[in-house]
Amino acid sequence: DAKTTQPNSMESNEEEPVHLPCNHSTISGTDYIHWYRQLPSQGPEYVIHGLTSNVNNRMASLAIAEDRKSSTLILHRATLRDAAVYYCILRDVASGTYKYIFGTGTRLKVLA
Amino acid sequence: DGGITQSPKYLFRKEGQNVTLSCEQNLNHDAMYWYRQDPGQGLRLIYYSQIVNDFQKGDIAEGYSVSREKKESFPLTVTSAQKNPTAFYLCASLRDRLSNQPQHFGDGTRLSIL
Repeated sequence: DAKTTQPNSMESNEEEPVHLPCNHSTISGTDYIHWYRQLPSQGPEYVIHGLTSNVNNRMASLAIAEDRKSSTLILHRATLRDAAVYYCILRDVASGTYKYIFGTGTRLKVLA
Repeated sequence: DGGITQSPKYLFRKEGQNVTLSCEQNLNHDAMYWYRQDPGQGLRLIYYSQIVNDFQKGDIAEGYSVSREKKESFPLTVTSAQKNPTAFYLCASLRDRLSNQPQHFGDGTRLSIL
């Protein structure tokens, strides 16, 4: 199974940038990297996804390493509403199921 | 707005009882998924369906059953064979199995045992 590794938790001060790392050394050549975040008792919310190039949207930026074995989600100015569990996700392409594989994520705490 | 609706938000099951969780989507997506989430854990795949009248077991299908009679609906039944059903259940959809677009998730159903 394609797997990701993330730190269990991180802290950030409000209004400061946050860099959330993810390792995915077994990623396949055509697999996209997806990031979601989840608030307590809610479904995961899509944040961003990318293949090779760095990606930007209104929520965040995604920086992907040249060898694609790691990526970093960047929140440019953390707010209290960004406190959540962030998941870096790959799909299981090798088995042919194309299912998403969730790890335990990074719990981001934002300090006022 | 298009989206996924899960109901009920909270559900209680008595011992030996089957219960069914509803998942409806109006996104015209072909693929639908059911996940289970335990406290402090990531999501684990129970069942998925790539197209109407077809579904496949995920990683933890024992004690669960599904049907996909309509494109927009993918109900999950938690049977009495599932000995530890207390969890947060999430339904998701995707345009099609091979799509690289993100999955859309519902807001979940929390199932507890009486």
